[in-house]
Amino acid sequence: KAGVTQTPRYLIKTRGQQVTLSCSPISGHRSVSWYQQTPGQGLQFLFEYFSETQRNKGNFPGRFSGRQFSNSRSEMNVSTLELGDSALYLCASSTAVGNGYTFGSGTRLTVV
Amino acid sequence: AQTVTQSQPEMSVQEAETVTLSCTYDTSENNYYLFWYKQPPSRQMILVIRQEAYKQQNATENRFSVNFQKAAKSFSLKISDSQLGDTAMYFCASAGDNNDMRFGAGTRLTVKP
Repeated sequence: KAGVTQTPRYLIKTRGQQVTLSCSPISGHRSVSWYQQTPGQGLQFLFEYFSETQRNKGNFPGRFSGRQFSNSRSEMNVSTLELGDSALYLCASSTAVGNGYTFGSGTRLTVV
Repeated sequence: AQTVTQSQPEMSVQEAETVTLSCTYDTSENNYYLFWYKQPPSRQMILVIRQEAYKQQNATENRFSVNFQKAAKSFSLKISDSQLGDTAMYFCASAGDNNDMRFGAGTRLTVKP
């Protein structure tokens, strides 16, 4: 069975631009969570979606947004990129949080 | 929300030896779950082991086992017979029924030949 697919794997953007990252969860997984991973801050929770509804949100500015579609695929968007947004963005899906998450390979975003 | 603390930024162990990684957590949830994830240099996060807080028996998965001390809010990971492929970042995580999983800062484990 296919795993969690994140596209693109690498992305280079200029400060001030916006970016959209995509995540396709495992078939049957309706919960999708997003994390930002940086060497200094570790894994920071961005948000979690279930059945097209945002159920949880981390402590990030409004420039970070997301959505989930009816097929459970999810996108996250970052507007007005800053240098500090350079990070590995990880997506994870699950049937229920108690079962643990399955992660994608991540999107490495570099802002220059 | 949960908070998770891993106090060992780096550890090393000789191949075939046993190593224990520490984790403490705090939560206001009555029902919660604890996890250990492994992230090798390839960056794919992999679930190593999970524990349901209401179960007293410590979880075991082959060479990996946990020592869950609920009163102390401690959740350590023991790796027996360490292998070179165990070299990775290890993250402890906690999640409640609110579907909000939080991670510790990670421990970088190096297995030496």
